[in-house]
Amino acid sequence: DADVTQTPRNRITKTGKRIMLECSQTKGHDRMYWYRQDPGLGLRLIYYSFDVKDINKGEISDGYSVSRQAQAKFSLSLESAIPNQTALYFCATSDPPDRGERELFFGEGSRLTVL
Amino acid sequence: GQNIDQPTEMTATEGAIVQINCTYQTSGFNGLFWYQQHAGEAPTFLSYNVLDGLEEKGRFSSFLSRSKGYSYLLLKELQMKDSASYLCAVGGGDSSYKLIFGSGTRLLVRP
Repeated sequence: DADVTQTPRNRITKTGKRIMLECSQTKGHDRMYWYRQDPGLGLRLIYYSFDVKDINKGEISDGYSVSRQAQAKFSLSLESAIPNQTALYFCATSDPPDRGERELFFGEGSRLTVL
Repeated sequence: GQNIDQPTEMTATEGAIVQINCTYQTSGFNGLFWYQQHAGEAPTFLSYNVLDGLEEKGRFSSFLSRSKGYSYLLLKELQMKDSASYLCAVGGGDSSYKLIFGSGTRLLVRP
């Protein structure tokens, strides 16, 4: 089983619908992130959370919200989806830098299409 | 501002060596990362440099010059499975250590 699991893996929806992407992890990491990836634009940070009571906006948070339900769970919501939110979304986790592993561990991605 | 530049595409031959460059201008620096991403898959960690110099890990090596804002990823003895995108990312200089990613370099390895 993957250490970072995203659901759904693929979703097609219509403009104006509410969508939730879920992420759960078994790595025991405190830090969780949501990124979106668009062709030619690389990975851009939407929101991040360093513990259950901590939520921070990233580069492109407009139109998105998040919830950190537990240390292991971090969900991303699109309250009213629009076509330019069509993208590949990745959840990632990490430890704080002073605990050794500095890299991000990514989920398998959720491909969202908004018609 | 924050800016990370890397070539969009590169092509190389199986068995050869390829160098993928990355230049960065960021408001702070807490290390430079390289990730590999096959099409439609998650990025996977390749290397981390925080001090100047070369880090070698099997067929892959990564170099950093902090004064020049420059890094490269060197891939030796290229294999067909190395065809992928290679993402350069810089750890931000604030306490968050957030990663800022470049747009990625798509490498095509030909027989």
